[in-house]
Amino acid sequence: GESVGLHLPTLSVQEGDNSIINCAYSNSASDYFIWYKQESGKGPQFIIDIRSNMDKRQGQRVTVLLNKTVKHLSLQIAATQPGDSAVYFCAELTGGFKTIFGAGTRLFVKA
Amino acid sequence: GAGVSQSPSNKVTEKGKDVELRCDPISGHTALYWYRQSLGQGLEFLIYFQGNSAPDKSGLPSDRFSAERTGGSVSTLTIQRTQQEDSAVYLCASSLEFTYNEQFFGPGTRLTVL
Repeated sequence: GESVGLHLPTLSVQEGDNSIINCAYSNSASDYFIWYKQESGKGPQFIIDIRSNMDKRQGQRVTVLLNKTVKHLSLQIAATQPGDSAVYFCAELTGGFKTIFGAGTRLFVKA
Repeated sequence: GAGVSQSPSNKVTEKGKDVELRCDPISGHTALYWYRQSLGQGLEFLIYFQGNSAPDKSGLPSDRFSAERTGGSVSTLTIQRTQQEDSAVYLCASSLEFTYNEQFFGPGTRLTVL
């Protein structure tokens, strides 16, 4: 499939290492923050979300951290696998259904 | 059941022509969203529909863009008098009303305007 973005920031990690993908957001009134994964040629897929009144949330092999003081969101992927190679987007919901996506980070996992 | 489907998967058109892109959401999902993704860019919000409420059209880039959702299900995004800068992947997503934080995306329609 075709890449979804040729000029995205890229993070390259070794298989088995942990990955940390960062995102800065602008609206302090956002209710929800979400991480999506987009593989080449496909639509984005929901990974994990966090409400604005939380600092940390864990899923299977993924953890999202929210630092409201500096408006920073991160996604940590434990024991990164080749199947994790994709573009990762953070997104925010600011009241209602309108979702604003960040620019995305390409994760490349080296076997 | 099936996920979100979109048609066509690819559309090539000439500048100035009108195009219609179709989205079939997941059955039972009351919210439907359209996004545009240009090469090298993130997802740009265009419009969303939720139940019988008036749609939020705040992301539509110009009056050449419009969208309808008939019967609370299928949606059509129409672009009139297409321009080359309209070339992008158009993504549709749907969600349940109270879990709108989790949207399910279709595979997108790749639009190329020559």
